[in-house]
Amino acid sequence: AQSVTQLDSHVSVSEGTPVLLRCNYSSSYSPSLFWYVQHPNKGLQLLLKYTSAATLVKGINGFEAEFKKSETSFHLTKPSAHMSDAAEYFCVVSPYNFNKFYFGSGTKLNVKP
Amino acid sequence: DARVTQTPRHKVTEMGQEVTMRCQPILGHNTVFWYRQTMMQGLELLAYFRNRAPLDDSGMPKDRFSAEMPDATLATLKIQPSEPRDSAVYFCASGPEGTQYFGPGTRLLVL
Repeated sequence: AQSVTQLDSHVSVSEGTPVLLRCNYSSSYSPSLFWYVQHPNKGLQLLLKYTSAATLVKGINGFEAEFKKSETSFHLTKPSAHMSDAAEYFCVVSPYNFNKFYFGSGTKLNVKP
Repeated sequence: DARVTQTPRHKVTEMGQEVTMRCQPILGHNTVFWYRQTMMQGLELLAYFRNRAPLDDSGMPKDRFSAEMPDATLATLKIQPSEPRDSAVYFCASGPEGTQYFGPGTRLLVL
């Protein structure tokens, strides 16, 4: 069985400080993992994906995520938050054959000036 | 810069009317998805096509919703009859295997 849990529904950081958005998953198989971002009134945009290559994945806009099998985690980080990062972020897990996609419930990131 | 396009972008209709939403996937993508997003339920997968064949539509209410891909350049989602609880933003996404590129969505309001 597959599932994904985003541990925080809301995260608030100050501009210029690090961002950490947490995601834990459960998977019976070697999973693929994704992070998507959704800005207000927009569709979702792929930030990065892990598909069994390097465990540290770099994405767009300075974001990166590390796949940790022992901890079943795929946390999203960014060294320094920008105001434009304020959005909702979704963690997604899919089995190796991509027959299903499981979305987390989302984390809303607020960036304070 | 290829994008998924969705029409209409906004739709207001009355309860009982038929609603058809259209999606043009990015050329060459072999998977197409329909999602519904509401404040209460979040993002829900309604239908998933691979090579135009339905792979998963378990999330779709079968009595009133239908999804089709008449050809590789068009995906449709139909609601008949529509109900106020169908009010939501409907997203289409397409991709090569394993990745999804989302359209801008159709915002539906059923009165």
